Amino acid sequence: GENVEQHPSTLSVQEGDSAVIKCTYSDSASNYFPWYKQELGKRPQLIIDIRSNVGEKKDQRIAVTLNKTAKHFSLHITETQPEDSAVYFCAASMGGGFKTIFGAGTRLFVKA
Amino acid sequence: DAGVIQSPRHEVTEMGQEVTLRCKPISGHDYLFWYRQTMMRGLELLIYFNNNVPIDDSGMPEDRFSAKMPNASFSTLKIQPSEPRDSAVYFCASSLLSQGTSGNTIYFGEGSWLTVV
Repeated sequence: GENVEQHPSTLSVQEGDSAVIKCTYSDSASNYFPWYKQELGKRPQLIIDIRSNVGEKKDQRIAVTLNKTAKHFSLHITETQPEDSAVYFCAASMGGGFKTIFGAGTRLFVKA
Repeated sequence: DAGVIQSPRHEVTEMGQEVTLRCKPISGHDYLFWYRQTMMRGLELLIYFNNNVPIDDSGMPEDRFSAKMPNASFSTLKIQPSEPRDSAVYFCASSLLSQGTSGNTIYFGEGSWLTVV
């Protein structure tokens, strides 16, 4: 089955700097890669996703890249702000309703 | 829509007791998922349903755990008997398969915070 590895487990950056979180997946059949943000005590919420027919997607300060050959994908947050502090999860699924497997999460601290 | 609704939000129970967690998915969604979140193991998929039918329960940790979905608007996750190591946040989530696309957004409920003492 699918296995998703996520690094780093903790990331601390200064406000205004960029943050990068990286994930790898094992099942080459996976074709949908969402990213979720979970604030303390809250539910995970989708912030951006990418499908396997696209190499990069951007939405304001966040962007995701996907390398299907290497089976890895990354989340990039630019101009970080204190409100970006949260746990970020990457995930992979074969889409079409197949089960979504999450990475272990990255705890991001943005220092003001 | 009110989103995915879970109850109870918080439960403290004694070891050996039965625990029942409830979930109402977003109306019209055809997939329902139960996840467990702990510090040590992260977000684990326990089981998921499609059109009320269990598709994959390989993540259910042991026979003490069971899940049902009697209709499109209700699901339960039951633990019997409960043990302290079951303490976790249990999330129910739902999604809708979008025709012609790959992947579908999973919408999570607020979670049920379970403590077994």
